[in-house]
Order: sequence, then C-alpha cells, then structure tokens
Amino acid sequence: SQTIHQWPATLVQPVGSPLSLECTVEGTSNPNLYWYRQAAGRGLQLLFYSVGIGQISSEVPQNLSASRPQDRQFILSSKKLLLSDSGFYLCAWKRGEGNQPQHFGDGTRLSIL
Amino acid sequence: SQELEQSPQSLIVQEGKNLTINCTSSKTLYGLYWYKQKYGEGLIFLMMLQKGGEEKSHEKITAKLDEKKQQSSLHITASQPSHAGIYLCGADTRYAGNMLTFGGGTRLMVKP
Repeated sequence: SQTIHQWPATLVQPVGSPLSLECTVEGTSNPNLYWYRQAAGRGLQLLFYSVGIGQISSEVPQNLSASRPQDRQFILSSKKLLLSDSGFYLCAWKRGEGNQPQHFGDGTRLSIL
Repeated sequence: SQELEQSPQSLIVQEGKNLTINCTSSKTLYGLYWYKQKYGEGLIFLMMLQKGGEEKSHEKITAKLDEKKQQSSLHITASQPSHAGIYLCGADTRYAGNMLTFGGGTRLMVKP
C-alpha cells in the first residue's frame, strides 16, 4: 500500500530564517506531487505541483520554492521566511494522469515569530 | 477558473440527527472529491464522483452528484461525535498536473 510522510509535524521559526519541509511517498512510482498551504479558517491554496523529477510548477508567486530531487521526494523551501508564511502545509500525491483522488500527508504546522 | 462554494460554512447538530452539506461549482464537474479533515491533521479521502446522477455511500455517509454535474451533496445519517471535523469538496480542474480546486470547507460539530 502507498504511504505519504511529512516532517516535521510542527515548526517554530523566526522571521528571516530558512525553511525546508520534506515529503516522501512510498509504494508507488512517478506520482504527481503537490504542496498546499491552509491558512487559519481558510481553504486550501495550491502552492506547487510536480509531474516528474525536476519538474516544478508554481501556482502562487511568493518567497517559497519547491524541488523534486527524487521520484518520490518533494521539498518545500524558503531562503527567508516572512510572518505571512505561517500556516498549515500539506503535501499530497496522486497516481499519474486521469481522475484519481489526491492523498494527503499529516501536515506541518509552521509558526513564524 | 473554477470556483467551488460550500454551504453551510459551519454546522452544529445534535447526535443522531441527519445533515447535508452542499458543494456548488461555477463550471461543470468532471471529478468531484469529498474529504474530511480533523483539526491539525491531513485530509482523509472519502469519496469520488464522476458521472451525473452518481451516488456513493460509505457507512453512514452518502455523496451525490447532480445530473447537470454542477452540484454535489454530502449527507450524514444519524450523526455521531466521530463525524465532527471539516468537510471539503475538491474538483478536478483539468489543467496540467491534474490540480484540484477546493471549496472553503464546512465545519461540523456534533453535540453528544
């Protein structure tokens, strides 16, 4: 069966510090991968998606970036965090093309001080 | 772009009561997904609907997609405290990467 892991579960960072959140998927190959942000009381905002190694598409311009160094690894990064980067970050995967559900990790709660 | 509107935004029901959550799309739905989220946790996939008039059930939760494929409803029968959480509908955008667009969510509380 397939599993998705995100870490860390919670993170408290000062403004201006760097960020690295990691997401890995097991039990499948060549998945589509997604990073979402969920602000308090708001819906899900898609940040990045990837359909293959090294292929990253950005949906929202911001100071975040994403990378996919391996088939089942997706990393969300920032060189300098802003207060507005606080939120709940979710990674998701789905099987290739076609109508298939996305499956989500447990999320990372990021607080910027 | 496709937009999904969920109603109500929040709902408090007495345990044992039935309830319905609606999800309305600004465009035709080609794939509609229902998820449940508990506070501070990831989304759990509940059901996927694709065909007009389709209906699926899992335990006491039933989801339907209308014939015109622009509205979906999620119905919970005899609600229990374990049903509490945030319910989100998501729709296939048919854009590259098979992105989903999500509704704003419905927060459900079940009073014992």
